[in-house]
Amino acid sequence: GAGVSQSPSNKVTEKGKDVELRCDPISGHTALYWYRQSLGQGLEFLIYFQGNSAPDKSGLPSDRFSAERTGGSVSTLTIQRTQQEDSAVYLCASSLLTAIPGNTIYFGEGSWLTVV
Amino acid sequence: LAKTTQPISMDSYEGQEVNITCSHNNIATNDYITWYQQFPSQGPRFIIQGYKTKVTNEVASLFIPADRKSSTLSLPRVSLSDTAVYYCLVYNQGGKLIFGQGTELSVKP
Repeated sequence: GAGVSQSPSNKVTEKGKDVELRCDPISGHTALYWYRQSLGQGLEFLIYFQGNSAPDKSGLPSDRFSAERTGGSVSTLTIQRTQQEDSAVYLCASSLLTAIPGNTIYFGEGSWLTVV
Repeated sequence: LAKTTQPISMDSYEGQEVNITCSHNNIATNDYITWYQQFPSQGPRFIIQGYKTKVTNEVASLFIPADRKSSTLSLPRVSLSDTAVYYCLVYNQGGKLIFGQGTELSVKP
């Protein structure tokens, strides 16, 4: 597609439910990133993928969070047993995983998650 | 990934030039300096990138001194629509890219 696409754009869920957030990167981008941003805060790095592999998962806040990427394209971020502190906007980004110049990161519009 | 330090917030008025400086003392030889802009309720977007000296595009200029331990993003004649958070990143490839808190620029009429 023309840009990074995320769905759903907004999600309200009850505490304790599981949620899945989807990211469709720019076609041909080998790197995919997930960030979380709480209201008024900076971007918190969660995880990144090189192809289908995630070299560094240390940013995931807890074992309730998991992410996968299949076919080198679409990625899903899953949050199990959601808690109110999970409420935030979840941003996905993608880039060509090459050396600079050219490694610009392109962000989607985010998935706004509210846990009630 | 080089650690960066930038002011938390800045205020300006319409029509003024705004300069935001970022410190990155442990920048590596292969690292580039990249600035992103984030408007409320949107994902960050690329503004400008440079390696040394000066880079200019239609949005901003980036000044990098010879030792590359700092960089300055310059926004000419800002308008209200330039109110945003500006992030400085130093890296040479993808990976675990940490954005930090950024600089919140407020432009007043």
